[in-house]
Amino acid sequence: AQSVTQLDSQVPVFEEAPVELRCNYSSSVSVYLFWYVQYPNQGLQLLLKYLSGSTLVESINGFEAEFNKSQTSFHLRKPSVHISDTAEYFCAVSGGQGAQKLVFGQGTRLTINP
Amino acid sequence: EAGVAQSPRYKIIEKRQSVAFWCNPISGHATLYWYQQILGQGPKLLIQFQNNGVVDDSQLPKDRFSAERLKGVDSTLKIQPAKLEDSAVYLCASSQQRGGLETQYFGPGTRLLVL
Repeated sequence: AQSVTQLDSQVPVFEEAPVELRCNYSSSVSVYLFWYVQYPNQGLQLLLKYLSGSTLVESINGFEAEFNKSQTSFHLRKPSVHISDTAEYFCAVSGGQGAQKLVFGQGTRLTINP
Repeated sequence: EAGVAQSPRYKIIEKRQSVAFWCNPISGHATLYWYQQILGQGPKLLIQFQNNGVVDDSQLPKDRFSAERLKGVDSTLKIQPAKLEDSAVYLCASSQQRGGLETQYFGPGTRLLVL
């Protein structure tokens, strides 16, 4: 069985500061990793995903995450945040050939202060 | 392209009452999921359909929850009777097909409050 731990329930940062949202997972099989974002009063949206290949994946709005197999981590980073990045961020894992079941972490609420 | 539609958006009921939620996935998406998201937690999969067949319902409390996906398109999730601990947001998601790592697209959710 897979599990995901997001180490911080809330992360407050100032605008234009860098941010890292931490995610660790456990799994007995090869995994695929995802970050979803939930803006206020909206549904979950896929931010980025790691399936195979390069361990560094990027989103179109400046976020990136690096798959680290030895540390079983998939931390999300952005070098300079904007007010519009205020949202809840969920890390998720899916495992096994053809498996579609997503197991989510508890979420991290990112708050950007001006 | 229209997204995943869900209704109602909000529902308030008393415990022991019944409630039903409806989901219309993105056109052409074969796989449909229902998730439960309790406040302060991540979404938890309740049931997964491939067309109109159930793929995974291992975390569905079958004594009170039921779901169906007639004709492989729309789906309904029902709770009968509801308990206080069922207060949550119920999310529907869809993806194009199983067997690959297709992106799941989520609807806005139905927020249920059981009093």
